[in-house]
Amino acid sequence: DTGVSQDPRHKITKRGQNVTFRCDPISEHNRLYWYRQTLGQGPEFLTYFQNEAQLEKSRLLSDRFSAERPKGSFSTLEIQRTEQGDSAMYLCASSFSSYNSPLHFGNGTRLTVT
Amino acid sequence: GQQVMQIPQYQHVQEGEDFTTYCNSSTTLSNIQWYKQRPGGHPVFLIQLVKSGEVKKQKRLTFQFGEAKKNSSLHITATQTTDVGTYFCAGPYTGNQFYFGTGTSLTVIP
Repeated sequence: DTGVSQDPRHKITKRGQNVTFRCDPISEHNRLYWYRQTLGQGPEFLTYFQNEAQLEKSRLLSDRFSAERPKGSFSTLEIQRTEQGDSAMYLCASSFSSYNSPLHFGNGTRLTVT
Repeated sequence: GQQVMQIPQYQHVQEGEDFTTYCNSSTTLSNIQWYKQRPGGHPVFLIQLVKSGEVKKQKRLTFQFGEAKKNSSLHITATQTTDVGTYFCAGPYTGNQFYFGTGTSLTVIP
């Protein structure tokens, strides 16, 4: 299966620590999205890339969050100085760049900040 | 924050009963997508609607896009236990940001 893969599946960290997540999209897809989902809520848009360019970032996103996609393939999402409110499932999705192409999600990384 | 609202938030039905979830956007959408998320899983794409008043069917699922392209609905006929999960609508805003609705969690009682 060559779907979207995310690593790690689970991450437990102490408040104030930095964490980094990785996403490997479907190889043919040039768009990559990061979403955050908390229990009982829909996925919340964080940012998206077209190839290596970060084209949009949520205005609600703290500057402690940064994402990269250096070679237009895999992407990393880093959270600095984690807070308990950052605890959530972080979902990565990829798609073709054609208009309104469906999103293919990975299994997510569940972050718990203690 | 969320610009796409869904109702109801939760729905419990007996197996064999019908189910409907409604999606309402604060602005006109160029298209709308529906996703299903099983418990413990990730959202999986179901369908996309583009045209005003469009109706699409997938077996027991019927999707409709409103005439004003600000609302949509998903109707499941004769629910089965395999239909359990949370159903999300999602619409594009300001470029390619897909905003997801609040979701409707469906429980099917055997």
